[in-house]
Amino acid sequence: EVHLVESGGGLVQPGGSLRLSCATSGFTFSSYAIHWVRQAPGKGLEYVSAINDNGGSTYYGDAVKGRFTLSRDNSKNTLYLQMGSLRPDDTAVYYCARDRSSWPQVADYWGQGTLVTVSS
Amino acid sequence: ETVLTQSPATLSLSPGERATLSCRASQSVSSCLAWYQQKPGQAPRLLIYDASNRATGIPARFSGGGSGTDFTLTISSLEPEDFVLYYCQQCNNWPYTFGQGTKLEIK
Repeated sequence: EVHLVESGGGLVQPGGSLRLSCATSGFTFSSYAIHWVRQAPGKGLEYVSAINDNGGSTYYGDAVKGRFTLSRDNSKNTLYLQMGSLRPDDTAVYYCARDRSSWPQVADYWGQGTLVTVSS
Repeated sequence: ETVLTQSPATLSLSPGERATLSCRASQSVSSCLAWYQQKPGQAPRLLIYDASNRATGIPARFSGGGSGTDFTLTISSLEPEDFVLYYCQQCNNWPYTFGQGTKLEIK
């Protein structure tokens, strides 16, 4: 069974940094692209970032470009989202999700999310 | 950025009725359009990909159509558990984007 479990969320001050992890199991991690999508409290879904199967290509939404870095460790079946220069409007539940294929397009399995709160 | 506009924002129907949800893109996304369902407190669930293909385990009452800039999600006969939120997402132009959502509520 496919599982994705996010961790690393919490309370951080504006301007601070945080690293989210997404641990996966139940599928061949190195064969699939992975996405990060976030949802601010009471709001809709927003695309954050995506990475292809071998980590050679990464993509970022305009709101996080230059501040967030996505990477993966295929030997550990884990994805990392390094977040920097955090702002209050980065407050959201962050979901990692597996793509249907090796190239990021559509997410078919999702984790339950981890809450990031940016506040002083 | 490709803007996706979903309509209506809220759709009020009764169980057993047919629901048609719309998603319009500001530029062509070819057929790279997905639909997700989100229940309160849960992660989204993939319903439809490539505009018209049902994801694994999705009931046949859900169907998708369209290409280019205009897409629809149809639920042929509403079940009580269908009255939740629905989002479309395009995967043709980076950055990928979601629509703002359509809430399906019981009339």
